Parts: sequence; C-alpha cells; structure tokens
Amino acid sequence: QKEVEQNSGPLSVPEGAIASLNCTYSDRVSQSFFWYRQYSGKSPELIMSIYSNGDKEDGRFTAQLNKASQYVSLLIRDSQPSDSATYLCAVNGYSGAGSYQLTFGKGTKLSVIP
Amino acid sequence: NAGVTQTPKFQVLKTGQSMTLQCAQDMNHNSMYWYRQDPGMGLRLIYYSASEGTTDKGEVPNGYNVSRLNKREFSLRLESAAPSQTSVYFCASRRNRGASTDTQYFGPGTRLTVL
Repeated sequence: QKEVEQNSGPLSVPEGAIASLNCTYSDRVSQSFFWYRQYSGKSPELIMSIYSNGDKEDGRFTAQLNKASQYVSLLIRDSQPSDSATYLCAVNGYSGAGSYQLTFGKGTKLSVIP
Repeated sequence: NAGVTQTPKFQVLKTGQSMTLQCAQDMNHNSMYWYRQDPGMGLRLIYYSASEGTTDKGEVPNGYNVSRLNKREFSLRLESAAPSQTSVYFCASRRNRGASTDTQYFGPGTRLTVL
C-alpha cells in the first residue's frame, strides 16, 4: 500500500522565521508531488506542485524534492500568522488505464506565533 | 466558473436515516472523488470515479454507495447512517487525462453529524 508520512505537529514558529515541513513517501515510481494548505473548517487548496528533483520557488514558498531519498519538503520563508494552517503532502501514483490517484499524508499543523 | 460545489453544507441525521450528498463540477474533469476527513486520520478516500460510467472503491467504502450521474455530477449515498459516519465529507475532481501533473480541486465540504 502506498504511504505518505508527515509529522503531525503542531509545528510552532515565530513570525518572520522559516517553517520547514517534511514528507516521505513509499512509492518509488511516483512522479509528481503536491502541497495543499487547509485552514480550519475549510477545504484543502493547492499551493505548490513539484515534479523534478531540486527546488521550486513561488513567492515565500519553496518546495524541495529528492526522489532518491523519497523525500519532499515545503519551506515557508518570513512566516506570517496567516500561514497558520494544516499542510497536506500529496503524492501522485499511477492507478491504471491512463489515470492517476493522489495519496495524502495526514498533514502537519503549523502555528505561526506573532 | 464555480469549480466544485457540494450540497448540503451541514446535515444532522439520526441513526438509521438515509441521505445523499451531492457534488458537481463545471471544469469538464474526468475524475471525481469522495473523501472523508476525521481528526487525526487525514483524508481518506471513500469512492472515486476515474471517468464517466465507472466507479471504484477507495480505502473506506463500507456503508456508502455512489453514483456518477453524468460527467459533472457524482453523488454519495448513506443508506443507513451510523454515528461512525459523523465526519466532514469532501468531493474533489481532476482532469486526469494521462498527465501525472493534473491538479485536484476540492469542494467546500459537507459537515455531517449522525446522532
């Protein structure tokens, strides 16, 4: 069974600091990886996707991928209280007949302290 | 362009009652999904429909049935609700035409309480 592991947290960081969120996955042939942010009482929304080894930056967010180590991370620079949310790692796996299916981690709860 | 919509937003049922959760997407996506989310358990896939006319079980299908009414609509039915089905239910959709990079979009969710 494909597994995606995240530390559940909570992860507390002071405002302005870098928050580092980590994710490991079991399916070695996975090709694409996503980070979703979920505010309390709301639905998950996509904030980053990454497909190649290395770093991908988008504003204050950087996703990092190491396929050899089966490891994905999300860095949030200059963390703001509005970043306080649960962050879900999702890994894409081929499910046959030309379609793919996401497997989600249980999420890491981030609290940014003013 | 509303994306993924779900009705109702909230529902309270008594044990043994039945109900149908409705989901619709206007993005011409092929695949649709139903998840439940419980504290500490993350998102768990109940059923999915990879394309119109097909449905498959996910991780936790017991107690649920689904219908892919057409390409836009995917409903989830609880035939005899149980307190263990108290949860937040999310519908999602994805283009899923052979590209592993396709993004999955979520509806706003339905909060269901079974007494």
